[in-house]
Amino acid sequence: QVQLVQSGAEVKKPGASVKVSCKASGYTFTGYYMHWVRQAPGQGLEWMGRINPNSGGTNYAQKFQGRVTMTRDTSISTAYMELSRLRSDDTAVYYCARDRYSSGRGPDDYWGQGTLVTVSS
Amino acid sequence: DIQMTQSPSSLSASVGDRVTITCRASQGISNYLAWYQQKPGKVPKLLIYAASTLQSGVPSRFSGSGSGTDFTLTISSLQPEDVATYYCQKYNSAPRTFGQGTKLEIK
Repeated sequence: QVQLVQSGAEVKKPGASVKVSCKASGYTFTGYYMHWVRQAPGQGLEWMGRINPNSGGTNYAQKFQGRVTMTRDTSISTAYMELSRLRSDDTAVYYCARDRYSSGRGPDDYWGQGTLVTVSS
Repeated sequence: DIQMTQSPSSLSASVGDRVTITCRASQGISNYLAWYQQKPGKVPKLLIYAASTLQSGVPSRFSGSGSGTDFTLTISSLQPEDVATYYCQKYNSAPRTFGQGTKLEIK
């Protein structure tokens, strides 16, 4: 069965960086795009970007351009999302989510459990 | 960028009621529209994709319709376990914008 298991909660100071991992199992990791979505406390869902695990190609939401880097390690079926120059309003739960289709033009059918990132001085 | 606008933002209905949530795209997106359910403290769950296709395992009381710019999510007979926030998302191209959410409660 498809599973996405994310790394644990993080507490960071403003200006620092955070790197969240998402380990995939139960399917061919390189066959499906991985998206990253975040949710601030009490707020809605916000798409951050995606990575093609096969090629490593990425697309980022304009809001995060220059601060976010999505990478992958195909040898361990793991995707990563690194966010730099953290601010207090980056405090959120960060999710990885698998695209339903290999084309990358599908809904998110499997989600990780979420990783809470708290930014506080 | 295409904006996704849901209405209402919140909704209170009785068990057994028919409930409808709407989602409007600022430009046409064909049928590249998904609906997600997020229960309090839980991970979002895919309910419907391609505007009207029910994800496997989702109860048949949920249905979706629409194409282009206007979409609806309907719950034919509201159940207590349907208390959640519902989000639409367009996924035809980046950015894959979500609606702001509709919080559904039981009256």
